[in-house]
Amino acid sequence: AQSVTQPDIHITVSEGASLELRCNYSYGATPYLFWYVQSPGQGLQLLLKYFSGDTLVQGIKGFEAEFKRSQSSFNLRKPSVHWSDAAEYFCAVGAAAWGGKLIFGQGTTLQVKP
Amino acid sequence: EAQVTQNPRYLITVTGKKLTVTCSQNMNHEYMSWYRQDPGLGLRQIYYSMNVEVTDKGDVPEGYKVSRKEKRNFPLILESPSPNQTSLYFCASSSTQAGGRGYTFGSGTRLTVV
Repeated sequence: AQSVTQPDIHITVSEGASLELRCNYSYGATPYLFWYVQSPGQGLQLLLKYFSGDTLVQGIKGFEAEFKRSQSSFNLRKPSVHWSDAAEYFCAVGAAAWGGKLIFGQGTTLQVKP
Repeated sequence: EAQVTQNPRYLITVTGKKLTVTCSQNMNHEYMSWYRQDPGLGLRQIYYSMNVEVTDKGDVPEGYKVSRKEKRNFPLILESPSPNQTSLYFCASSSTQAGGRGYTFGSGTRLTVV
């Protein structure tokens, strides 16, 4: 069965430090990959997405993610975290065969220390 | 502005009192879906619709109903709410062209059933 795993439930980093949030998926073919961010009390906002082509994708707010087919991973990175990045982050997977459906990971809560 | 509109944002109700959460999108999307978000569980799909009059169960459909009489609207109905349906609910829509391009989410509805 298809699934998405975010191994880290909670991550704390210091402001200005680098960040990497992990995402692994289980699917037989190359999926469509997404990262969403949810600020406290808010809805979900799309950070970036991968469909094909260059495996390093750039998103909004200075985030990037790299698709690694051999590892079935799509990790999210940011070189220097800002206090406003504190939020919950969700990795999601879609596929051409699924129509518009996405499957979400459990989420990673990011806390930023001053 | 392209958007998904959910109403209400907050709702407190009593056990057994039927309620409807509305969802409307203005992007002419074929695919619409309802998710519930619970701590530690991420987003779980309740129901989805591939187009008008085409709906199907997601992963956690028990206790919910939906309808899709018009392309833009996809209401979520709780015929007899119970406390275990206390949750944060999100409506989302997507184009199904080329496997979808990721969801546009509504702002969420926080439901409390007492």
